[in-house]
Amino acid sequence: QKEVEQDPGPLSVPEGAIVSLNCTYSNSAFQYFMWYRQYSRKGPELLMYTYSSGNKEDGRFTAQVDKSSKYISLFIRDSQPSDSATYLCAMSEAGGGNKLTFGTGTQLKVEL
Amino acid sequence: ETGVTQSPTHLIKTRGQQVTLRCSSQSGHNTVSWYQQALGQGPQFIFQYYREEENGRGNFPPRFSGLQFPNYSSELNVNALELDDSALYLCASSLESERPQYFGPGTRLTVL
Repeated sequence: QKEVEQDPGPLSVPEGAIVSLNCTYSNSAFQYFMWYRQYSRKGPELLMYTYSSGNKEDGRFTAQVDKSSKYISLFIRDSQPSDSATYLCAMSEAGGGNKLTFGTGTQLKVEL
Repeated sequence: ETGVTQSPTHLIKTRGQQVTLRCSSQSGHNTVSWYQQALGQGPQFIFQYYREEENGRGNFPPRFSGLQFPNYSSELNVNALELDDSALYLCASSLESERPQYFGPGTRLTVL
Protein backbone atom coordinates (compact mmCIF):
# COMPACT_ATOMS: atom_id res chain seq x y z
CA GLN A 1 0.00 0.00 0.00
CA LYS A 2 1.29 3.46 -0.91
CA GLU A 3 1.81 6.02 1.85
CA VAL A 4 -0.29 8.55 -0.09
CA GLU A 5 -3.28 7.56 -2.22
CA GLN A 6 -4.80 9.85 -4.83
CA ASP A 7 -7.40 9.08 -7.50
CA PRO A 8 -5.66 9.62 -10.87
CA GLY A 9 -8.86 10.63 -12.65
CA PRO A 10 -9.28 11.99 -15.22
CA LEU A 11 -11.85 14.35 -13.75
CA SER A 12 -13.85 16.42 -16.23
CA VAL A 13 -16.04 19.34 -15.05
CA PRO A 14 -17.84 22.25 -16.75
CA GLU A 15 -16.48 25.77 -16.43
CA GLY A 16 -17.66 27.43 -13.22
CA ALA A 17 -18.05 24.18 -11.28
CA ILE A 18 -16.64 23.58 -7.82
CA VAL A 19 -13.90 20.98 -7.96
CA SER A 20 -13.00 18.70 -5.07
CA LEU A 21 -9.68 16.86 -5.08
CA ASN A 22 -8.66 14.48 -2.31
CA CYS A 23 -5.82 12.42 -0.89
CA THR A 24 -5.62 9.89 1.90
CA TYR A 25 -2.46 8.88 3.70
CA SER A 26 -1.27 6.26 6.15
CA ASN A 27 1.72 7.90 7.88
CA SER A 28 0.51 9.65 11.04
CA ALA A 29 3.84 11.50 11.28
CA PHE A 30 2.99 13.73 8.32
CA GLN A 31 2.63 17.33 9.57
CA TYR A 32 3.04 19.50 6.46
CA PHE A 33 0.57 19.23 3.57
CA MET A 34 0.88 20.77 0.12
CA TRP A 35 -0.95 20.94 -3.15
CA TYR A 36 0.94 21.43 -6.39
CA ARG A 37 -0.40 22.07 -9.88
CA GLN A 38 1.50 20.61 -12.81
CA TYR A 39 0.85 21.50 -16.42
CA SER A 40 1.90 19.02 -19.08
CA ARG A 41 5.68 18.75 -19.40
CA LYS A 42 6.25 21.44 -16.75
CA GLY A 43 7.50 21.42 -13.15
CA PRO A 44 5.01 21.39 -10.24
CA GLU A 45 3.81 24.80 -9.03
CA LEU A 46 3.08 25.25 -5.32
CA LEU A 47 -0.57 26.20 -4.73
CA MET A 48 -1.18 25.64 -1.03
CA TYR A 49 1.01 24.88 2.00
CA THR A 50 -0.53 24.03 5.36
CA TYR A 51 0.68 22.79 8.70
CA SER A 52 -1.32 20.28 10.76
CA SER A 53 -5.14 20.23 10.68
CA GLY A 54 -7.51 22.99 9.57
CA ASN A 55 -8.51 25.05 6.56
CA LYS A 56 -6.61 27.56 4.46
CA GLU A 57 -8.06 29.75 1.75
CA ASP A 58 -6.25 31.57 -1.04
CA GLY A 59 -8.42 33.16 -3.70
CA ARG A 60 -10.45 30.44 -5.44
CA PHE A 61 -8.54 27.67 -3.65
CA THR A 62 -9.30 26.14 -0.23
CA ALA A 63 -7.19 23.44 1.37
CA GLN A 64 -8.53 21.27 4.18
CA VAL A 65 -6.60 18.87 6.40
CA ASP A 66 -8.26 16.31 8.68
CA LYS A 67 -5.45 14.53 10.50
CA SER A 68 -7.85 12.36 12.52
CA SER A 69 -9.10 10.82 9.26
CA LYS A 70 -5.75 11.12 7.45
CA TYR A 71 -7.55 12.94 4.64
CA ILE A 72 -6.76 16.16 2.79
CA SER A 73 -8.77 18.07 0.21
CA LEU A 74 -8.36 20.90 -2.26
CA PHE A 75 -11.43 22.80 -3.42
CA ILE A 76 -11.39 25.01 -6.51
CA ARG A 77 -14.28 27.45 -6.86
CA ASP A 78 -15.45 28.92 -10.17
CA SER A 79 -13.19 26.59 -12.12
CA GLN A 80 -11.67 27.89 -15.36
CA PRO A 81 -10.26 26.12 -18.44
CA SER A 82 -6.85 27.39 -17.33
CA ASP A 83 -7.20 25.19 -14.20
CA SER A 84 -6.90 22.12 -16.46
CA ALA A 85 -3.78 20.38 -15.16
CA THR A 86 -2.62 17.56 -12.91
CA TYR A 87 -2.97 18.27 -9.20
CA LEU A 88 -0.48 16.62 -6.88
CA CYS A 89 -0.83 16.34 -3.12
CA ALA A 90 2.40 16.14 -1.12
CA MET A 91 3.25 15.65 2.54
CA SER A 92 6.25 15.67 4.84
CA GLU A 93 7.13 14.91 8.43
CA ALA A 94 8.29 17.54 10.88
CA GLY A 95 12.03 17.21 11.35
CA GLY A 96 12.14 14.86 8.39
CA GLY A 97 14.41 17.04 6.33
CA ASN A 98 11.46 18.07 4.21
CA LYS A 99 11.36 14.89 2.10
CA LEU A 100 8.10 15.25 0.19
CA THR A 101 5.94 12.18 -0.39
CA PHE A 102 3.59 12.70 -3.32
CA GLY A 103 0.36 11.18 -4.52
CA THR A 104 0.16 10.04 -8.13
CA GLY A 105 -1.73 13.18 -9.14
CA THR A 106 -5.30 13.79 -10.35
CA GLN A 107 -5.75 14.95 -13.93
CA LEU A 108 -8.39 17.70 -14.14
CA LYS A 109 -10.05 19.02 -17.28
CA VAL A 110 -12.33 22.05 -17.11
CA GLU A 111 -14.47 22.26 -20.22
CA LEU A 112 -16.11 25.33 -21.79
CA GLU B 1 13.47 37.29 -8.21
CA THR B 2 14.76 34.41 -10.35
CA GLY B 3 13.05 31.06 -9.91
CA VAL B 4 14.60 27.61 -9.99
CA THR B 5 16.30 26.83 -13.29
CA GLN B 6 17.48 23.48 -14.64
CA SER B 7 19.66 22.40 -17.53
CA PRO B 8 19.52 20.81 -19.96
CA THR B 9 15.82 20.71 -20.87
CA HIS B 10 16.03 17.38 -22.64
CA LEU B 11 18.70 14.70 -22.80
CA ILE B 12 19.03 11.39 -24.65
CA LYS B 13 21.54 8.82 -23.45
CA THR B 14 22.21 5.15 -24.01
CA ARG B 15 22.21 2.43 -21.40
CA GLY B 16 25.43 2.30 -19.37
CA GLN B 17 26.34 5.95 -19.93
CA GLN B 18 26.66 8.61 -17.25
CA VAL B 19 24.72 11.88 -17.03
CA THR B 20 24.98 15.14 -15.07
CA LEU B 21 21.96 17.37 -14.53
CA ARG B 22 22.23 20.90 -13.16
CA CYS B 23 20.04 23.11 -11.01
CA SER B 24 20.25 26.72 -9.88
CA SER B 25 18.21 27.40 -6.77
CA GLN B 26 15.89 30.35 -6.26
CA SER B 27 17.65 33.46 -4.97
CA GLY B 28 18.29 33.21 -1.21
CA HIS B 29 17.46 29.50 -0.98
CA ASN B 30 20.10 27.25 0.65
CA THR B 31 18.36 23.88 0.28
CA VAL B 32 18.01 21.84 -2.90
CA SER B 33 16.08 18.59 -3.31
CA TRP B 34 16.01 16.28 -6.32
CA TYR B 35 13.05 14.17 -7.45
CA GLN B 36 12.43 11.63 -10.20
CA GLN B 37 9.02 11.64 -11.87
CA ALA B 38 8.11 8.71 -14.10
CA LEU B 39 5.30 9.15 -16.60
CA GLY B 40 1.90 9.16 -14.89
CA GLN B 41 3.41 9.07 -11.40
CA GLY B 42 4.09 11.56 -8.64
CA PRO B 43 7.67 12.70 -8.03
CA GLN B 44 9.87 10.39 -5.95
CA PHE B 45 12.42 11.90 -3.55
CA ILE B 46 16.05 11.16 -4.48
CA PHE B 47 18.00 13.30 -1.98
CA GLN B 48 18.32 16.74 -0.45
CA TYR B 49 21.32 19.04 0.04
CA TYR B 50 21.39 21.65 2.78
CA ARG B 51 24.35 24.04 2.94
CA GLU B 52 26.48 21.71 0.79
CA GLU B 53 25.81 18.56 2.87
CA GLU B 54 23.49 15.67 1.97
CA ASN B 55 20.49 15.96 4.28
CA GLY B 56 18.35 12.92 3.56
CA ARG B 57 18.12 10.33 0.84
CA GLY B 58 15.29 8.31 -0.67
CA ASN B 59 15.32 4.71 -1.93
CA PHE B 60 17.70 5.23 -4.82
CA PRO B 61 20.92 3.25 -5.43
CA PRO B 62 24.38 4.77 -4.91
CA ARG B 63 24.78 5.32 -8.65
CA PHE B 64 22.59 8.38 -8.04
CA SER B 65 24.85 10.99 -6.46
CA GLY B 66 24.87 14.73 -6.04
CA LEU B 67 26.71 17.87 -5.11
CA GLN B 68 25.80 21.29 -3.84
CA PHE B 69 28.13 24.22 -4.45
CA PRO B 70 28.86 27.27 -2.26
CA ASN B 71 26.40 29.34 -4.32
CA TYR B 72 23.78 26.63 -3.49
CA SER B 73 23.46 25.42 -7.06
CA SER B 74 23.45 21.64 -7.40
CA GLU B 75 24.22 18.71 -9.66
CA LEU B 76 22.64 15.28 -9.93
CA ASN B 77 24.86 12.57 -11.36
CA VAL B 78 23.61 9.19 -12.51
CA ASN B 79 26.09 6.46 -13.45
CA ALA B 80 25.51 3.25 -15.39
CA LEU B 81 22.21 4.45 -16.81
CA GLU B 82 19.37 1.94 -17.06
CA LEU B 83 16.25 2.07 -19.24
CA ASP B 84 14.10 2.64 -16.10
CA ASP B 85 16.02 5.85 -15.39
CA SER B 86 14.03 7.49 -18.19
CA ALA B 87 11.97 10.14 -16.39
CA LEU B 88 11.52 13.83 -15.64
CA TYR B 89 14.13 14.92 -13.08
CA LEU B 90 12.97 17.78 -10.91
CA CYS B 91 14.95 20.08 -8.70
CA ALA B 92 13.29 22.03 -5.90
CA SER B 93 14.73 24.72 -3.66
CA SER B 94 13.63 26.06 -0.29
CA LEU B 95 14.69 28.80 2.09
CA GLU B 96 15.60 26.25 4.77
CA SER B 97 15.27 22.48 4.90
CA GLU B 98 11.82 22.62 6.56
CA ARG B 99 10.21 25.27 4.39
CA PRO B 100 8.05 25.09 1.21
CA GLN B 101 9.78 23.75 -1.86
CA TYR B 102 9.61 25.45 -5.26
CA PHE B 103 10.25 23.36 -8.32
CA GLY B 104 12.12 24.02 -11.52
CA PRO B 105 10.84 23.03 -14.98
CA GLY B 106 12.68 19.70 -14.94
CA THR B 107 15.05 17.82 -17.22
CA ARG B 108 13.53 15.09 -19.32
CA LEU B 109 15.98 12.18 -19.60
CA THR B 110 15.48 9.41 -22.14
CA VAL B 111 17.66 6.30 -21.90
CA LEU B 112 17.78 4.13 -25.02
